[in-house]
Amino acid sequence: GAGVSQSPRYKVTKRGQDVTLRCDPISSHATLYWYQQALGQGPEFLTYFNYEAQPDKSGLPSDRFSAERPEGSISTLTIQRTEQRDSAMYRCASSLVLAGVGDPTGELFFGEGSRLTVL
Amino acid sequence: LAKTTQPISMDSYEGQEVNITCSHNNIATNDYITWYQQFPSQGPRFIIQGYKTKVTNEVASLFIPADRKSSTLSLPRVSLSDTAVYYCLVGDDGGFQKLVFGTGTRLLVSP
Repeated sequence: GAGVSQSPRYKVTKRGQDVTLRCDPISSHATLYWYQQALGQGPEFLTYFNYEAQPDKSGLPSDRFSAERPEGSISTLTIQRTEQRDSAMYRCASSLVLAGVGDPTGELFFGEGSRLTVL
Repeated sequence: LAKTTQPISMDSYEGQEVNITCSHNNIATNDYITWYQQFPSQGPRFIIQGYKTKVTNEVASLFIPADRKSSTLSLPRVSLSDTAVYYCLVGDDGGFQKLVFGTGTRLLVSP
């Protein structure tokens, strides 16, 4: 697509429910990132994919969080047994290539985000 | 850990030049320095990236001294629409893909 698309834009759920957020990156982009952004704070890294591989998921807060990108394109972020502290904006970004050591990291293109509210 | 430190906020007036300095004392040899801009309710947007000396594009300049322990984003002749949060990023622990945003600098441009 022309830009990074995320859905849903807004999600309200009750504590204990599972939620899945979707990210459709720019079609030619190999690398996809998930960030969590609390109100008034900068985005915090969760995980990233290079095509379908997931080299780094160290930012995922707990084992309730998981992400997939099975065909190297669309990605989903799933939060199981949601808690109120999971309420945040979840942002997806993509970049053209995975930079090598010593290469510029390249431009990240962010989507509009999915705002999750856990009641 | 390649942590960055920026001023929490800055104020300016239309037409002035704004310089935002970021400190990154533990920057790794391979790390690039990147700046992003974020408007309320939008995702961050890439502004500029550099490794050393000076980089200039159509919207900003980035000054990086020889020791690379800091960098300065320069916005010439700001307008009201430049009111936003500006983030300075470097790779984390040499993990160049794990960009850490920090809390950023809130720039308020007044008439």
